[in-house]
Amino acid sequence: SQTIHQWPATLVQPVGSPLSLECTVEGTSNPNLYWYRQAAGRGLQLLFYSVGIGQISSEVPQNLSASRPQDRQFILSSKKLLLSDSGFYLCAWRGVGALNTGELFFGEGSRLTVL
Amino acid sequence: AQSVTQLDSQVPVFEEAPVELRCNYSSSVSVYLFWYVQYPNQGLQLLLKYLSGSTLVKGINGFEAEFNKSQTSFHLRKPSVHISDTAEYFCAVITTGGFKTIFGAGTRLFVKA
Repeated sequence: SQTIHQWPATLVQPVGSPLSLECTVEGTSNPNLYWYRQAAGRGLQLLFYSVGIGQISSEVPQNLSASRPQDRQFILSSKKLLLSDSGFYLCAWRGVGALNTGELFFGEGSRLTVL
Repeated sequence: AQSVTQLDSQVPVFEEAPVELRCNYSSSVSVYLFWYVQYPNQGLQLLLKYLSGSTLVKGINGFEAEFNKSQTSFHLRKPSVHISDTAEYFCAVITTGGFKTIFGAGTRLFVKA
């Protein structure tokens, strides 16, 4: 069966510090991968998605970046955090081709607080 | 571009009462529709989905939803809610063959004893 792991679960960082959130998927190959952000009281905002190694599409201009160094690894980064980067970050995957059942499968989330 | 509107930000309801969470979408092409549930400090999990076929779809935990193409709606219903249904519910849409799932702002369902 497929699983998705996301870490760290909780992170408190000062303004201006770097960020690295990691996500890995097991039990499937060549998934589409996604990073969403959920701000308090708001819906999910799509930040990045990837359809393959090294292929990143950015949805909103911001000081975050994403990378996909391996087929089932997706990393969200920042060189210098802003207060507005606080939120709940969710990684998700979707199968492709015959493995595409339409829905997204989510990790447990990473709560980032920037002080 | 697609969009999703969840018409209620919060829905309080008594235990064992029926509930309907409303969702409208906008798209110029055909779409797939989803409802997800999120419990506090957790990721989202799928409740149900509409891809094609019967417009009434049944999901987990006794929830069901009806796709209405003419009204571009996909409302979620449950005939009798439990305390454990207290959570946030998200309606979502993706175009057929698309890459990006678009989510509504969410509806917080609060079930009272």
